Amino acid sequence: DAGVTQSPTHLIKTRGQQVTLRCSPKSGHDTVSWYQQALGQGPQFIFQYYEEEERQRGNFPDRFSGHQFPNYSSELNVNALLLGDSALYLCASSLAPTRSDTQYFGPGTRLTVL
Amino acid sequence: RKEVEQDPGPFNVPEGATVAFNCTYSNSASQSFFWYRQDCRKEPKLLMSVYSSGNEDGRFTAQLNRASQYISLLIRDSKLSDSATYLCVAQGWNYGGSQGNLIFGKGTKLSVKP
Repeated sequence: DAGVTQSPTHLIKTRGQQVTLRCSPKSGHDTVSWYQQALGQGPQFIFQYYEEEERQRGNFPDRFSGHQFPNYSSELNVNALLLGDSALYLCASSLAPTRSDTQYFGPGTRLTVL
Repeated sequence: RKEVEQDPGPFNVPEGATVAFNCTYSNSASQSFFWYRQDCRKEPKLLMSVYSSGNEDGRFTAQLNRASQYISLLIRDSKLSDSATYLCVAQGWNYGGSQGNLIFGKGTKLSVKP
């Protein structure tokens, strides 16, 4: 049973660049949530995708955008990167948001902005 | 005020010790609660859900007090392998019955020494 996978594992970018992170949910899951975890902090919710639509959004600027594909995989895009965007980006998958279900996390993408 | 607050530690304990972590949450509408474990530079992994009646999983016991908006985790007979950061998590439900996002505390670091 394939768990949540993310790519790439590590990424180094410079300020002002754009980045795309990818996530494939656990087999059987159709909902993907993205979180940002800065060093020494707990994960912070960015947004959630279900049925290819953004269903919920946390307190993140419009520079953060996403997409969900028909196969339930998802992308997180961040434009105009800032030094403060350096963090571990975690993807979590679960069943439909109308069901009470555990969220399973992928290994994350560690983004460094120089 | 942070939505989920927990003592960051670190808690340094000898093997075999009993250790307790506490957590408070500010949103009384929160419906579900969890403890996640996160090893250094890894993704969070669900340790256990937390119920009002209290629940136990081997050496781990979790308690929820809705009146006080307080969650606890007790680890008995600590093992070296218990060394990790423990994240307290609250989850609400949105209008319309969809699952809310996870709200994490900053985490409590536990170090179990021989």
